[in-house]
Amino acid sequence: DSGVTQTPKHLITATGQRVTLRCSPRSGDLSVYWYQQSLDQGLQFLIQYYNGEERAKGNILERFSAQQFPDLHSELNLSSLELGDSALYFCASSERTGNGETQYFGPGTRLLVL
Amino acid sequence: AQSVTQPDIHITVSEGASLELRCNYSYGATPYLFWYVQSPGQGLQLLLKYFSGDTLVQGIKGFEAEFKRSQSSFNLRKPSVHWSDAAEYFCAVEVPGGFKTIFGAGTRLFVKA
Repeated sequence: DSGVTQTPKHLITATGQRVTLRCSPRSGDLSVYWYQQSLDQGLQFLIQYYNGEERAKGNILERFSAQQFPDLHSELNLSSLELGDSALYFCASSERTGNGETQYFGPGTRLLVL
Repeated sequence: AQSVTQPDIHITVSEGASLELRCNYSYGATPYLFWYVQSPGQGLQLLLKYFSGDTLVQGIKGFEAEFKRSQSSFNLRKPSVHWSDAAEYFCAVEVPGGFKTIFGAGTRLFVKA
């Protein structure tokens, strides 16, 4: 158990819908990362927050957005969902950022778009 | 931009045999280098990481990795594989002072009895 929690574990929705994925980092960790893992794209970095502020962006679509709240939990919002958005979404956290921090991964949210 | 290549999509080894998983990176200087393992249905777990210094890095579960600057490689090794090592292994790089980690495509390890 990494100490990172993600909810929900599974999510099934329809095309065009909007969903919110939630992540609670390990106690004391200030940095949260979001990743998308799919069969064709592999593990792709989406976005990172540090202490409430966006720190880095990766291959995140404009339909996707994220935020980190004052209590340090984070949410990833996916809108106008398409079939291709079906994937496993991981959240990870680390104590700090930018210096090769160890990232602790949550168990993931499996999203299926029908 | 930096990139990571894991040339082997999958590898099968016999239990008790040695293992080497290959990883090559592309970056002008020495990045931070990582190996993570993902067991079926699980998140990723860090095995080891390299920042600087001794080029042979010891990790958890009996794994080690060797950084070779001349070959831009960071290969993962284990002298004797156990059936519980069957999983997917990811090599990753992070640019010092940067804030994103780039993962390779992964190598799936199968262990046969």
